[in-house]
Amino acid sequence: AQTVTQSQPEMSVQEAETVTLSCTYDTSENNYYLFWYKQPPSRQMILVIRQEAYKQQNATENRFSVNFQKAAKSFSLKISDSQLGDTAMYFCAFIDPNRDDKIIFGKGTRLHILP
Amino acid sequence: GAGVSQSPSNKVTEKGKDVELRCDPISGHTALYWYRQSLGQGLEFLIYFQGNSAPDKSGLPSDRFSAERTGGSVSTLTIQRTQQEDSAVYLCASSDWRGDTQYFGPGTRLTVL
Repeated sequence: AQTVTQSQPEMSVQEAETVTLSCTYDTSENNYYLFWYKQPPSRQMILVIRQEAYKQQNATENRFSVNFQKAAKSFSLKISDSQLGDTAMYFCAFIDPNRDDKIIFGKGTRLHILP
Repeated sequence: GAGVSQSPSNKVTEKGKDVELRCDPISGHTALYWYRQSLGQGLEFLIYFQGNSAPDKSGLPSDRFSAERTGGSVSTLTIQRTQQEDSAVYLCASSDWRGDTQYFGPGTRLTVL
């Protein structure tokens, strides 16, 4: 079965620091999509970053970047120069477009950015 | 353009009543999904619509739950004879094509007293 694991239920870092959220997944497929979503207290799920498995280059969006290690099935999210507004739940997610369209979410990491 | 919208944003109901939750996806998106998120938990898949195909209902927890999507656009999730364990945030998402990024609405928080 395809699974997504986030091993850090909760993390706290000081504002302006860099933080890395871990995510591992399990699949036998070669082509798939990986995502990081952010869910602030407003509960709106916001796409942070998207990675296509066939692309070797790590995706990046401003202060957010990923370390995609396909062989290790690892997809960590790095937040640089963290800001108070980054406080949220972060979900790692996986889609296998060749099987079905169910997006599989990890259980999330609650990130607190401290002033 | 406009994102995914959901209504109502909050719904409080009494046990045993029926409720209807509405989702208006991004215009042109053929895929629409419903999820349930219990307090402090991850997302639980409920149902998926793709174009005119039969929906994937494999995530619906009981026959009290049903959903329809009229005209390939707006969707309604109906929960009959609500129970306290139905209390959760119900999230809707849409995507442009199979396997593409899903964009989420703000959710409906359902509280069953």
